[in-house]
Amino acid sequence: GAGVSQSPRYKVAKRGQDVALRCDPISGHVSLFWYQQALGQGPEFLTYFQNEAQLDKSGLPSDRFFAERPEGSVSTLKIQRTQQEDSAVYLCASSYSGGLMNYGYTFGSGTRLTVV
Amino acid sequence: QQPVQSPQAVILREGEDAVINCSSSKALYSVHWYRQKHGEAPVFLMILLKGGEQKGHEKISASFNEKKQQSSLYLTASQLSYSGTYFCGTEDGGATNKLIFGTGTLLAVQP
Repeated sequence: GAGVSQSPRYKVAKRGQDVALRCDPISGHVSLFWYQQALGQGPEFLTYFQNEAQLDKSGLPSDRFFAERPEGSVSTLKIQRTQQEDSAVYLCASSYSGGLMNYGYTFGSGTRLTVV
Repeated sequence: QQPVQSPQAVILREGEDAVINCSSSKALYSVHWYRQKHGEAPVFLMILLKGGEQKGHEKISASFNEKKQQSSLYLTASQLSYSGTYFCGTEDGGATNKLIFGTGTLLAVQP
């Protein structure tokens, strides 16, 4: 597609519920990133894929967070047993770069998760 | 360590200039600049790869001082459309290729 597509755009989850957030990157983009953005803050890194390989998951806050990109294109971020502190905008970004970031990121519009 | 941006916020009149600074405590391979409008995704503005390099994008340009681990974004003759929050993103060229985003600078351009 022309841009990075994320769904759903908004998600309200009851505390303890599991959620799955989808990211469809630009076709041909090797790198895919997930970021978490709290209100008024900059995006904070969660995890990074190069094709289907998850090369860095150092930013995932706990073992309740899990991400996959099984075929090197669409990615899913799953949060189990959601808690109120998980409320944030989850941004997906993709880049043509496969190594050092010689190209910019293209971000999706994000999924706003609210845990009640 | 998150890069620190200054100022935190700035208000301009149309046509005025502004400078936004980004400072890192780590050696850098590259610096990216993004603009985010309220409720929207960050949009890529430019990337600087070499120390001392200056790049331009219409009336927005940037410099990168590798030795000082700093980058500056220059907005000249600001337009209403420049309003938003500006983030620098830094890459240290290490084993992973993620960007670490700065603290952000809110820019408001008034008529």
